[in-house]
Amino acid sequence: AQSVTQLGSHVSVSEGALVLLRCNYSSSVPPYLFWYVQYPNQGLQLLLKYTTGATLVKGINGFEAEFKKSETSFHLTKPSAHMSDAAEYFCAVSDSYNTDKLIFGTGTRLQVFP
Amino acid sequence: GAVVSQHPSWVICKSGTSVKIECRSLDFQATTMFWYRQFPKQSLMLMATSNEGSKATYEQGVEKDKFLINHASLTLSTLTVTSAHPEDSSFYICSARPGRSGQPQHFGDGTRLSIL
Repeated sequence: AQSVTQLGSHVSVSEGALVLLRCNYSSSVPPYLFWYVQYPNQGLQLLLKYTTGATLVKGINGFEAEFKKSETSFHLTKPSAHMSDAAEYFCAVSDSYNTDKLIFGTGTRLQVFP
Repeated sequence: GAVVSQHPSWVICKSGTSVKIECRSLDFQATTMFWYRQFPKQSLMLMATSNEGSKATYEQGVEKDKFLINHASLTLSTLTVTSAHPEDSSFYICSARPGRSGQPQHFGDGTRLSIL
């Protein structure tokens, strides 16, 4: 069985500061990993994904994440936060054999202060 | 590209009525669509997976007679909440996957369902 743990349901940063959202996963098979962003009353938008290959993945809006197998982590970072980054962020995992079955973490709400 | 439209975005209705939610892929064909439910301040839970032209596959604990899913074409899937009750109030989100398995899912903007 797969699972995702997002440490910290709320993260607050100042505009211009580093954003770090943590995600750890559990999977008995090679995982596919995703980060999605959700704005209020909207669906989810894919930020980035890791399937195979390079472990540092770059996504939209300046976000990137690094797959660390030894730490079973896929933390999301952005060097400089912008006010428009305030949203809910979800980490998700699927396995490489059934990529349709996405297991989501409980989400992290990012607040950005001026 | 890869736009998914969900309608309605918000619906309020009386207990006992049935509500239909539509999910359309606007610029691609979606052989597979997914329906999720999201409770306030919680994550998304997959309810069912629907493939065009066949019966939906429901996740454990989801009542298939309560949540009717139809995927009659490559661009449209519908979720009907039958005889809705207040406990069915939630945020329902659909997603669609273009092409073969392994492609990312594209999500609609969700439907907020409130049952009075």
